[in-house]
Amino acid sequence: EVQLLESGGDLLQRGGSLRLSCAASGFTFSTYTMTWVRQAPGGGLESVSAISGSGGSIYYADSVKGRFTISRDNSKNTLYLQMDSLRAEDTAVYYCAKDFSRMAVPGTLDFWGQGTLVTVSS
Amino acid sequence: EIVLTQSPATLSLSPGERATLSCRASQSVSSYLAWYQQKPGQAPRLLIYDASNRATGVPARFSGSGSGTDFTLTISSLEPEDFAVYFCQQRSNWPNTFGHGTKLEIK
Repeated sequence: EVQLLESGGDLLQRGGSLRLSCAASGFTFSTYTMTWVRQAPGGGLESVSAISGSGGSIYYADSVKGRFTISRDNSKNTLYLQMDSLRAEDTAVYYCAKDFSRMAVPGTLDFWGQGTLVTVSS
Repeated sequence: EIVLTQSPATLSLSPGERATLSCRASQSVSSYLAWYQQKPGQAPRLLIYDASNRATGVPARFSGSGSGTDFTLTISSLEPEDFAVYFCQQRSNWPNTFGHGTKLEIK
């Protein structure tokens, strides 16, 4: 059974930093692209960042480029999102999600974690 | 980035009725479109991928159609558990954008 468990969400002030983690199990982690998707309170979904199975291809939304860093440790089956220079508009539930296919580009997301809440106060 | 416009924003129907949800892309996404269902307090759940393929375990009452810029999610006969928010998502170009959602509510 595929499981994704996010952690690291917190309440912090504008300009602060935070690292989110996503522990994966139930599938061959190293062969799948993983994506971080966020959802602002009462809002829609935004693809924040994605990383291929090998870590060789990385993608960022313009809204976080230069501030967020995605990485993965395939020996630990864990995905990370380092978030720096946080802004009030980064407040959201952050989900990690597994790609449906084994392609190196981000695509359809077939399994999602339960999410972790990041709140940035101004 | 590709903008996905979903309509209507809210759809009020009764159990047993047919639901038709629309998603329009600002440029062609070929068939690279998925549909997700989200219930309050839960993560999104994949329903349809590549426009018309049901994900594992999704009931046959859910179907998807379309290509290019116009897509439809149809629920043939609504069950009580189908009342939720539905999002479309394209994977043609990064960033893989989502529509703002259609809320399907009980009439």
